Amino acid sequence: ETGVTQSPTHLIKTRGQQVTLRCSSQSGHNTVSWYQQALGQGPQFIFQYYREEENGRGNFPPRFSGLQFPNYSSELNVNALELDDSALYLCASSLGFEGARYEQYFGPGTRLTVT
Amino acid sequence: LAKTTQPISMDSYEGQEVNITCSHNNIATNDYITWYQQFPSQGPRFIIQGYKTKVTNEVASLFIPADRKSSTLSLPRVSLSDTAVYYCLVGGGGYNKLIFGAGTRLAVHP
Repeated sequence: ETGVTQSPTHLIKTRGQQVTLRCSSQSGHNTVSWYQQALGQGPQFIFQYYREEENGRGNFPPRFSGLQFPNYSSELNVNALELDDSALYLCASSLGFEGARYEQYFGPGTRLTVT
Repeated sequence: LAKTTQPISMDSYEGQEVNITCSHNNIATNDYITWYQQFPSQGPRFIIQGYKTKVTNEVASLFIPADRKSSTLSLPRVSLSDTAVYYCLVGGGGYNKLIFGAGTRLAVHP
């Protein structure tokens, strides 16, 4: 059974640019959530996708957007990058979306640095 | 989702039992209590989840009193590899949004 994978591992971008991060969910998981984790802080929920539809969103501006594909893999897109967007971006997949009942399986993350 | 409060940091020594307590005074009836572990530059990893009383698995135990306003994660006989950040989360119902606090940084010393 393949776990959650993310690509790329590291990324350096310039302020104002756009970035796309990718996530492959664990086999059989239909729900993907994205989190942003700044250095020294806990992960912050960005949004969640369930069966290709956005199913919840945290306090992030519209320049953070996403997609989920029929195979349940997902993308996180960030437009107009700002210095504060520098963080570890985590993707997590789960069997369902019902509350916090379902164990979430996290990927290793993508380290984004904005200069 | 219920807000949680846990110690910022803890120190222990190899072979000792570590208990990390989390307060969640506003826990709702349908909320579950979940603990995650995170190593530097890695994603969090699920440790244990419970609703009430006591839950035990191969790595930890979770103690939940009758009023459910707090919970205690117990790690038996810790080793150096247990040095990590431990997050207590409370939630249930609705979509699967996890609210992470700052977590507890556990340092295990030789």
